[in-house]
Amino acid sequence: EAQVTQNPRYLITVTGKKLTVTCSQNMNHEYMSWYRQDPGLGLRQIYYSMNVEVTDKGDVPEGYKVSRKEKRNFPLILESPSPNQTSLYFCASSRTEAKETQYFGPGTRLLVL
Amino acid sequence: AQKVTQAQTEISVVEKEDVTLDCVYETRDTTYYLFWYKQPPSGELVFLIRRNSFDEQNEISGRYSWNFQKSTSSFNFTITASQVVDSAVYFCALSEAEGAGKSTFGDGTTLTVKP
Repeated sequence: EAQVTQNPRYLITVTGKKLTVTCSQNMNHEYMSWYRQDPGLGLRQIYYSMNVEVTDKGDVPEGYKVSRKEKRNFPLILESPSPNQTSLYFCASSRTEAKETQYFGPGTRLLVL
Repeated sequence: AQKVTQAQTEISVVEKEDVTLDCVYETRDTTYYLFWYKQPPSGELVFLIRRNSFDEQNEISGRYSWNFQKSTSSFNFTITASQVVDSAVYFCALSEAEGAGKSTFGDGTTLTVKP
């Protein structure tokens, strides 16, 4: 089954404790992206990757890191989480670029205390 | 810079009513792509439609239809004979051909369909 998976789905953590949210897709898509969703703010793009070893900032990259060592994986790293990073996070993938239809993961709900 | 505006924050209708969700976009590109996604209460994001800037034909898919008007930079979404299962948050999104990786979403419209 074609899908984008994210782990964990839910996470409660404390300020400053490094965490990684994994994202994996099995569709051989070149493009992957991370978004955060906050009430009334829609989805805002954090980082995206056009292919392996190619990443770029979206609209809200501060406080986040990403890496793309393999085509199928695109982890999101919060080196020192803060309460303002409490949000719902979505990973997405598509063929080539963002102009193609993006397939979204189920979301990761993060609470930073 | 690209921008998407969904002016309607919340809409409430009674089942079987028709409802239109507005989407207005801003872009400097001549080539761009517009999308609609649905987010039901369960939380996942579901693709509904993709349209490129060169294709101004309106599209109908069952009870769903989309009206793309370049002259007014709008890409509106109409649900005919709404059903309770249509209750969801609907997002309009824009990607430019030049900013190949960038994707901009509107703030979403929450549609509630009452029985």
